[in-house]
Amino acid sequence: DAKTTQPNSMESNEEEPVHLPCNHSTISGTDYIHWYRQLPSQGPEYVIHGLTSNVNNRMASLAIAEDRKSSTLILHRATLRDAAVYYCILRDIGGGSNYKLTFGKGTLLTVNP
Amino acid sequence: GAGVSQSPSNKVTEKGKDVELRCDPISGHTALYWYRQSLGQGLEFLIYFQGNSAPDKSGLPSDRFSAERTGGSVSTLTIQRTQQEDSAVYLCASSLFVGGTDTQYFGPGTRLTVL
Repeated sequence: DAKTTQPNSMESNEEEPVHLPCNHSTISGTDYIHWYRQLPSQGPEYVIHGLTSNVNNRMASLAIAEDRKSSTLILHRATLRDAAVYYCILRDIGGGSNYKLTFGKGTLLTVNP
Repeated sequence: GAGVSQSPSNKVTEKGKDVELRCDPISGHTALYWYRQSLGQGLEFLIYFQGNSAPDKSGLPSDRFSAERTGGSVSTLTIQRTQQEDSAVYLCASSLFVGGTDTQYFGPGTRLTVL
Protein backbone atom coordinates (compact mmCIF):
# COMPACT_ATOMS: atom_id res chain seq x y z
CA ASP A 1 0.00 0.00 0.00
CA ALA A 2 1.16 3.53 -0.75
CA LYS A 3 2.08 5.23 2.49
CA THR A 4 1.08 8.59 3.89
CA THR A 5 2.98 10.93 6.20
CA GLN A 6 1.24 13.26 8.62
CA PRO A 7 2.45 15.45 11.48
CA ASN A 8 1.97 13.79 14.85
CA SER A 9 0.04 16.70 16.30
CA MET A 10 -1.33 20.14 15.55
CA GLU A 11 -3.00 22.83 17.58
CA SER A 12 -5.65 25.32 16.64
CA ASN A 13 -7.87 27.90 18.24
CA GLU A 14 -11.62 27.67 18.21
CA GLU A 15 -13.31 29.31 15.21
CA GLU A 16 -10.07 29.54 13.27
CA PRO A 17 -9.33 27.56 10.10
CA VAL A 18 -7.19 24.45 10.35
CA HIS A 19 -5.06 22.99 7.56
CA LEU A 20 -4.03 19.38 8.13
CA PRO A 21 -1.33 18.25 5.70
CA CYS A 22 -0.68 14.80 4.30
CA ASN A 23 2.19 13.69 2.10
CA HIS A 24 1.76 10.70 -0.19
CA SER A 25 4.63 10.90 -2.63
CA THR A 26 4.24 7.28 -3.80
CA ILE A 27 0.55 7.62 -4.65
CA SER A 28 -0.55 5.74 -7.74
CA GLY A 29 -2.96 6.94 -10.38
CA THR A 30 -5.71 4.68 -9.05
CA ASP A 31 -5.49 5.75 -5.40
CA TYR A 32 -8.29 7.76 -3.84
CA ILE A 33 -7.32 10.01 -0.91
CA HIS A 34 -9.60 9.42 2.08
CA TRP A 35 -9.74 11.22 5.39
CA TYR A 36 -11.24 9.79 8.54
CA ARG A 37 -11.18 11.12 12.06
CA GLN A 38 -11.57 9.51 15.44
CA LEU A 39 -13.00 11.46 18.32
CA PRO A 40 -12.08 10.36 21.84
CA SER A 41 -13.69 7.06 22.82
CA GLN A 42 -15.51 6.72 19.49
CA GLY A 43 -15.11 4.72 16.30
CA PRO A 44 -13.58 6.39 13.25
CA GLU A 45 -15.77 8.71 11.23
CA TYR A 46 -15.55 9.39 7.50
CA VAL A 47 -14.70 12.99 6.66
CA ILE A 48 -14.06 13.34 2.95
CA HIS A 49 -12.37 11.76 -0.05
CA GLY A 50 -11.14 12.78 -3.48
CA LEU A 51 -9.18 11.59 -6.48
CA THR A 52 -7.82 14.56 -8.41
CA SER A 53 -10.03 17.60 -7.95
CA ASN A 54 -10.59 19.57 -4.76
CA VAL A 55 -13.67 18.49 -2.86
CA ASN A 56 -16.03 20.19 -0.45
CA ASN A 57 -18.66 18.78 1.86
CA ARG A 58 -20.47 19.93 4.96
CA MET A 59 -17.64 18.82 7.22
CA ALA A 60 -14.51 19.96 5.42
CA SER A 61 -12.67 20.68 2.20
CA LEU A 62 -9.95 18.61 0.59
CA ALA A 63 -7.28 20.34 -1.43
CA ILE A 64 -5.23 18.01 -3.63
CA ALA A 65 -1.93 19.10 -5.10
CA GLU A 66 -1.68 19.09 -8.86
CA ASP A 67 0.88 16.25 -8.80
CA ARG A 68 -1.25 14.43 -6.18
CA LYS A 69 1.77 13.86 -3.98
CA SER A 70 0.20 15.78 -1.14
CA SER A 71 -3.17 16.92 0.09
CA THR A 72 -4.59 19.16 2.80
CA LEU A 73 -7.72 18.70 4.84
CA ILE A 74 -9.25 22.06 5.65
CA LEU A 75 -11.60 22.67 8.54
CA HIS A 76 -12.93 26.14 7.89
CA ARG A 77 -13.86 27.02 11.47
CA ALA A 78 -12.58 24.66 14.11
CA THR A 79 -14.84 23.84 17.01
CA LEU A 80 -14.05 22.00 20.22
CA ARG A 81 -15.88 19.01 18.75
CA ASP A 82 -13.28 18.81 15.97
CA ALA A 83 -10.61 17.74 18.44
CA ALA A 84 -9.70 14.27 17.21
CA VAL A 85 -7.08 12.16 15.49
CA TYR A 86 -7.24 12.72 11.74
CA TYR A 87 -6.15 9.96 9.40
CA CYS A 88 -5.17 10.36 5.76
CA ILE A 89 -5.54 7.05 3.91
CA LEU A 90 -5.02 5.96 0.31
CA ARG A 91 -7.55 3.57 -1.23
CA ASP A 92 -6.93 1.84 -4.55
CA ILE A 93 -10.02 2.03 -6.73
CA GLY A 94 -8.95 -1.21 -8.30
CA GLY A 95 -10.06 -3.03 -5.18
CA GLY A 96 -8.15 -6.26 -4.87
CA SER A 97 -6.80 -6.48 -1.35
CA ASN A 98 -6.90 -2.76 -0.75
CA TYR A 99 -10.49 -2.64 0.47
CA LYS A 100 -9.40 -2.54 4.08
CA LEU A 101 -8.45 0.76 5.63
CA THR A 102 -4.85 0.93 6.75
CA PHE A 103 -4.65 3.50 9.51
CA GLY A 104 -1.34 5.13 10.32
CA LYS A 105 -0.78 7.17 13.46
CA GLY A 106 -2.65 10.20 12.13
CA THR A 107 -2.53 13.78 13.39
CA LEU A 108 -3.84 14.59 16.84
CA LEU A 109 -5.66 17.91 16.55
CA THR A 110 -6.09 19.93 19.70
CA VAL A 111 -8.56 22.82 19.60
CA ASN A 112 -8.11 25.53 22.20
CA PRO A 113 -11.14 27.50 23.41
CA GLY B 1 -31.21 6.17 9.13
CA ALA B 2 -29.74 3.79 11.66
CA GLY B 3 -25.99 3.46 11.73
CA VAL B 4 -23.82 0.47 12.53
CA SER B 5 -24.60 -0.96 15.93
CA GLN B 6 -22.51 -3.26 18.06
CA SER B 7 -23.21 -5.24 21.19
CA PRO B 8 -22.28 -5.45 23.92
CA SER B 9 -20.69 -2.05 24.36
CA ASN B 10 -18.48 -3.43 27.11
CA LYS B 11 -17.46 -6.98 27.92
CA VAL B 12 -15.35 -8.13 30.82
CA THR B 13 -14.34 -11.76 30.81
CA GLU B 14 -11.90 -14.08 32.46
CA LYS B 15 -8.90 -15.50 30.71
CA GLY B 16 -9.76 -18.73 28.94
CA LYS B 17 -13.44 -17.95 28.40
CA ASP B 18 -15.06 -17.59 24.97
CA VAL B 19 -16.73 -14.35 23.90
CA GLU B 20 -19.05 -13.36 21.07
CA LEU B 21 -19.26 -9.84 19.72
CA ARG B 22 -22.11 -8.78 17.49
CA CYS B 23 -22.33 -6.27 14.66
CA ASP B 24 -25.45 -5.01 12.90
CA PRO B 25 -24.39 -3.21 9.73
CA ILE B 26 -26.27 -0.52 7.87
CA SER B 27 -29.07 -2.06 5.86
CA GLY B 28 -28.09 -2.65 2.25
CA HIS B 29 -24.35 -2.43 2.84
CA THR B 30 -22.71 -5.40 1.20
CA ALA B 31 -19.28 -5.06 2.80
CA LEU B 32 -18.56 -5.63 6.47
CA TYR B 33 -15.25 -5.26 8.28
CA TRP B 34 -13.91 -6.05 11.71
CA TYR B 35 -11.00 -4.10 13.17
CA ARG B 36 -9.52 -3.88 16.62
CA GLN B 37 -7.77 -1.08 18.42
CA SER B 38 -5.55 -1.73 21.38
CA LEU B 39 -4.96 1.02 23.92
CA GLY B 40 -3.06 3.89 22.33
CA GLN B 41 -2.62 2.01 19.07
CA GLY B 42 -3.95 2.38 15.55
CA LEU B 43 -6.64 0.22 14.00
CA GLU B 44 -5.75 -3.31 13.04
CA PHE B 45 -7.73 -5.03 10.29
CA LEU B 46 -9.14 -8.43 11.23
CA ILE B 47 -11.59 -9.73 8.62
CA TYR B 48 -13.66 -8.59 5.62
CA PHE B 49 -16.94 -9.87 4.20
CA GLN B 50 -18.22 -8.83 0.78
CA GLY B 51 -21.54 -10.16 -0.39
CA ASN B 52 -21.48 -13.90 -0.94
CA SER B 53 -17.73 -14.05 -1.55
CA ALA B 54 -15.42 -15.97 0.72
CA PRO B 55 -14.30 -13.68 3.55
CA ASP B 56 -10.77 -12.34 3.76
CA LYS B 57 -9.52 -13.64 7.09
CA SER B 58 -5.93 -12.55 6.57
CA GLY B 59 -5.96 -10.18 9.55
CA LEU B 60 -7.12 -12.64 12.19
CA PRO B 61 -4.26 -12.91 14.71
CA SER B 62 -4.76 -16.58 15.60
CA ASP B 63 -7.08 -19.52 15.08
CA ARG B 64 -8.85 -18.57 18.31
CA PHE B 65 -10.53 -15.84 16.31
CA SER B 66 -13.38 -16.54 13.91
CA ALA B 67 -16.23 -14.60 12.40
CA GLU B 68 -19.34 -15.28 10.44
CA ARG B 69 -21.91 -13.22 8.66
CA THR B 70 -25.38 -14.69 8.44
CA GLY B 71 -27.73 -13.82 5.63
CA GLY B 72 -25.42 -11.11 4.38
CA SER B 73 -26.30 -8.93 7.34
CA VAL B 74 -25.46 -9.48 11.02
CA SER B 75 -21.94 -10.59 11.86
CA THR B 76 -20.51 -12.26 14.95
CA LEU B 77 -16.86 -12.23 15.93
CA THR B 78 -15.95 -15.07 18.27
CA ILE B 79 -12.83 -15.26 20.35
CA GLN B 80 -12.16 -18.61 21.97
CA ARG B 81 -10.02 -19.14 25.06
CA THR B 82 -9.48 -15.41 25.50
CA GLN B 83 -6.06 -14.12 26.51
CA GLN B 84 -5.15 -10.84 28.18
CA GLU B 85 -3.59 -9.58 24.95
CA ASP B 86 -7.03 -9.82 23.35
CA SER B 87 -8.13 -6.82 25.42
CA ALA B 88 -8.98 -4.06 22.97
CA VAL B 89 -11.84 -2.17 21.38
CA TYR B 90 -13.34 -4.23 18.58
CA LEU B 91 -14.82 -2.11 15.82
CA CYS B 92 -17.16 -3.11 13.05
CA ALA B 93 -17.70 -1.13 9.87
CA SER B 94 -19.93 -1.53 6.85
CA SER B 95 -19.83 0.02 3.43
CA LEU B 96 -21.25 0.04 -0.05
CA PHE B 97 -19.02 0.37 -3.08
CA VAL B 98 -20.17 3.15 -5.38
CA GLY B 99 -18.22 4.65 -8.24
CA GLY B 100 -15.07 2.68 -7.60
CA THR B 101 -14.58 3.45 -3.93
CA ASP B 102 -16.44 3.22 -0.67
CA THR B 103 -17.02 4.99 2.60
CA GLN B 104 -16.81 2.89 5.72
CA TYR B 105 -19.23 3.60 8.54
CA PHE B 106 -18.04 2.47 11.92
CA GLY B 107 -19.99 1.30 14.91
CA PRO B 108 -19.22 2.51 18.43
CA GLY B 109 -17.16 -0.57 19.20
CA THR B 110 -17.11 -3.22 21.89
CA ARG B 111 -14.55 -2.73 24.63
CA LEU B 112 -13.26 -6.15 25.63
CA THR B 113 -11.35 -6.58 28.85
CA VAL B 114 -9.79 -9.94 29.62
CA LEU B 115 -8.84 -10.33 33.26
